[in-house]
Amino acid sequence: AQTVTQSQPEMSVQEAETVTLSCTYDTSENNYYLFWYKQPPSRQMILVIRQEAYKQQNATENRFSVNFQKAAKSFSLKISDSQLGDTAMYFCAFADSNFGNEKLTFGTGTRLTIIP
Amino acid sequence: NAGVTQTPKFQVLKTGQSMTLQCAQDMNHEYMSWYRQDPGMGLRLIHYSVGAGITDQGEVPNGYNVSRSTTEDFPLRLLSAAPSQTSVYFCASSYSEGIGGELFFGEGSRLTVL
Repeated sequence: AQTVTQSQPEMSVQEAETVTLSCTYDTSENNYYLFWYKQPPSRQMILVIRQEAYKQQNATENRFSVNFQKAAKSFSLKISDSQLGDTAMYFCAFADSNFGNEKLTFGTGTRLTIIP
Repeated sequence: NAGVTQTPKFQVLKTGQSMTLQCAQDMNHEYMSWYRQDPGMGLRLIHYSVGAGITDQGEVPNGYNVSRSTTEDFPLRLLSAAPSQTSVYFCASSYSEGIGGELFFGEGSRLTVL
C-alpha cells in the first residue's frame, strides 16, 4: 500500500519569506501523480500544484513550486513571497495508475501560519 | 457554479441513530469519493464511485453505506452512528481522465456523535 508522510505538523513564517513543506512517499509504482492541496480556515480544499512522476521538470504555479526527487521519493512544496492568504493546512497526496483520481492517499498535513 | 455541494454542514447525532450526508455535483464528473478528516490522520477514503451504479470501498468503509443512482449524487449513509464516527466528512469529485486530474471538494460536513 502507498503511504504519504508529512513530518512537519506545524510551521510558521513571516510574511514575504520563503517556506518549504516536506513530503515523502512510498510506492513500488512507476506511473503516478503527486499533489499538494490547500485547506484554508474556510475548510474547502483546493489544488495547489501537481507533478507527474514521468516528468523530470519540477512543476511551478506562480509562487508555488515543487522539488520532486523521484529516487528519494520526496516531494516538497516551496512557497515564495508568502502571503497572509497562504495560511492554511497543506496536504500532500498521491495517486497511482491502479486507481486513478478516485482513490488518493493523503498525508497527515502541515499547518502553515503566515505571520504579518 | 455550484461545484460540489454537501449537506448538512453540521450535525449532532446520538449513538445508534442513522443519517445520510448528501453530496451533489453539477460538473458531470464520473468519479466521486467520500473522505473523513480526523486530527493527526489526514484524509482517509471511505467509499468511492467511478460512475453511476458502481461503488467500492476505500480505506475505512465500516459503518458506512453508499449508492450512486445518478451521476450527480453520491450520498453517504451512517447506519448506526458511533462516537468513533465523529469527524469532518468531505465529498470530492473529478473527471475520469486517468490519474492526475484535479479533485473538487465540497465544504465539508462536521458530524458529532454523542
